[in-house]
Amino acid sequence: DAGVIQSPRHEVTEMGQEVTLRCKPISGHNSLFWYRQTMMRGLELLIYFNNNVPIDDSGMPEDRFSAKMPNASFSTLKIQPSEPRDSAVYFCASSIESTEAFFGQGTRLTVV
Amino acid sequence: DQQVKQNSPSLSVQEGRISILNCDYTNSMFDYFLWYKKYPAEGPTFLISISSIKDKNEDGRFTVFLNKSAKHLSLHIVPSQPGDSAVYFCAATQGGGGSNYKLTFGKGTLLTVNP
Repeated sequence: DAGVIQSPRHEVTEMGQEVTLRCKPISGHNSLFWYRQTMMRGLELLIYFNNNVPIDDSGMPEDRFSAKMPNASFSTLKIQPSEPRDSAVYFCASSIESTEAFFGQGTRLTVV
Repeated sequence: DQQVKQNSPSLSVQEGRISILNCDYTNSMFDYFLWYKKYPAEGPTFLISISSIKDKNEDGRFTVFLNKSAKHLSLHIVPSQPGDSAVYFCAATQGGGGSNYKLTFGKGTLLTVNP
């Protein structure tokens, strides 16, 4: 298996633009997580899906952030409009219940 | 409020010696703990875990110790190797038995193993 696949690996965008991050979880995994890593706050859970249904989005910082999982093999995290303070590395991870989470390589977002 | 704390941002050890990485937690509901290792430009990878019903779990050179009364866990790497140089994240969750709902991470400790 190729593991969790995220795209793009790097994204540079101007403030105010819409950004969409993509994730393909490991086939057969039924849980999907979006995390954000910053120097100040470390790794924070943004949202968690189970069987394609959002279970907990309490970590989503603002209404500018939204996430969808239209099917078991694809999820998106959208920021609209983006701001410089959104600059971070965004990780997607997936798991089967009762196992550890497997992380993708991350998307490094820079908002200028 | 940080529920999982790794108070040492960095640690440097000599090859062959023991590396000890520490982690403290405040939420008494946590009952499953994990260590992840992260190389630059890669995502975190799972290393070892421990359930709150145990106080030690060992996997090769890696041993995790859990002290529930102190709400403290540590990762021991013996012997340390240069390839172990990475950022190590401590994580915790509740729900028992390895459920990975809502892993709460510490900020990480950068381990450097010098040849």
